[in-house]
Amino acid sequence: DAKTTQPPSMDCAEGRAANLPCNHSTISGNEYVYWYRQIHSQGPQYIIHGLKNNETNEMASLIITEDRKSSTLILPHATLRDTAVYYCIVRAYSGAGSYQLTFGKGTKLSVIP
Amino acid sequence: DVKVTQSSRYLVKRTGEKVFLECVQDMDHENMFWYRQDPGLGLRLIYFSYDVKMKEKGDIPEGYSVSREKKERFSLILESASTNQTSMYLCASSLRSGNEQFFGPGTRLTVL
Repeated sequence: DAKTTQPPSMDCAEGRAANLPCNHSTISGNEYVYWYRQIHSQGPQYIIHGLKNNETNEMASLIITEDRKSSTLILPHATLRDTAVYYCIVRAYSGAGSYQLTFGKGTKLSVIP
Repeated sequence: DVKVTQSSRYLVKRTGEKVFLECVQDMDHENMFWYRQDPGLGLRLIYFSYDVKMKEKGDIPEGYSVSREKKERFSLILESASTNQTSMYLCASSLRSGNEQFFGPGTRLTVL
């Protein structure tokens, strides 16, 4: 399975864009990049996913480099409620008809007032 | 909105007790998952199920079993709870293979 590397922590000023990097240099051609976040004392929440092209939804944008070895999650206008641990995950196929998500340690994003 | 519910937010049990953690999803999802989360270790997959009565081991199945008799319900069973099973347990579901997973609020289990 491809592994991901993320910085352990980041700060972002409220109202500014938060750019969270992820390195996945061993990703294979059919593996997707997923982003989840976990606010303290809650279950993880799905944010966005992509394969090759950049993706945008109501929560965030995902920028994947052309060689697919890294990606950046962008929260365009961070709020205090975006303070959470953000997980970058490469989806692996584990057989038996299901895809396993392997959660690493993520990046602890602190949005500062 | 998808809703994944877990039977308890907090649970305290004694060593050797049999423990049942229940998870229910209301969106007819095929796949269901049980994870545990520990400080410094992230989320680790215990078991998952891709259909009724079907189950597959995850990364750390030892000491656990699961049951999926109905599509909407996935139970995690600790046959004889031990102190090293003190953890946050998270249930998740997904519509089909490869779809995003939706998580429940978690059950914080303490084994004394």
